[in-house]
Amino acid sequence: GAVVSQHPSRVICKSGTSVKIECRSLDFQATTMFWYRQFPKKSLMLMATSNEGSKATYEQGVEKDKFLINHASLTLSTLTVTSAHPEDSSFYICSARLRTANTIYFGEGSWLTVV
Amino acid sequence: QKEVEQDPGPLSVPEGAIVSLNCTYSNSAFQYFMWYRQYSRKGPELLMYTYSSGNKEDGRFTAQVDKSSKYISLFIRDSQPSDSATYLCASYVGAGNMLTFGGGTRLMVKP
Repeated sequence: GAVVSQHPSRVICKSGTSVKIECRSLDFQATTMFWYRQFPKKSLMLMATSNEGSKATYEQGVEKDKFLINHASLTLSTLTVTSAHPEDSSFYICSARLRTANTIYFGEGSWLTVV
Repeated sequence: QKEVEQDPGPLSVPEGAIVSLNCTYSNSAFQYFMWYRQYSRKGPELLMYTYSSGNKEDGRFTAQVDKSSKYISLFIRDSQPSDSATYLCASYVGAGNMLTFGGGTRLMVKP
């Protein structure tokens, strides 16, 4: 199947700093990328939907100024957690929809720990 | 009511058993149905993808969609300990629409 790569897979940052997570579709063009957050033993929670070249659409309750999403190209979307706090520690996962089909693939996820 | 409902489990079966995982949904506009497998601390992996009603088979896995009853199933034959994971069903209407997930069913296959 198609490959979606996330980087970094694990990151530890200090409280108050910002951290960027990249999501790349390696062998296909993705018109839409999605960012999720997942707490331990819980289901995926959609944070935002981003379409290439346009502003991301955030789900209710997600702070757009805190979770900055940029979808600069058909193969790259980034999530920047700004002024991170310990409560932002979580598993962040991206997914991408193929441009030529309706299949959606997920990245491996990124563990963020804010200390 | 959630749009996609899934029994959280855990479901525990012996190795070699046939596993049946199920979801129900309420949105009759859903056209695309997927099953993902998620191992602990990993991103979901697409297992099966079905458009509209019908069956789809891939190795030990069979996905069924019954749109008349709004029921989605995943069958795993000859289950293996390596199948132990959380299985997520998901549906969406079409291009441009977001994926709606069930809560996931945790499966444990015991050797």
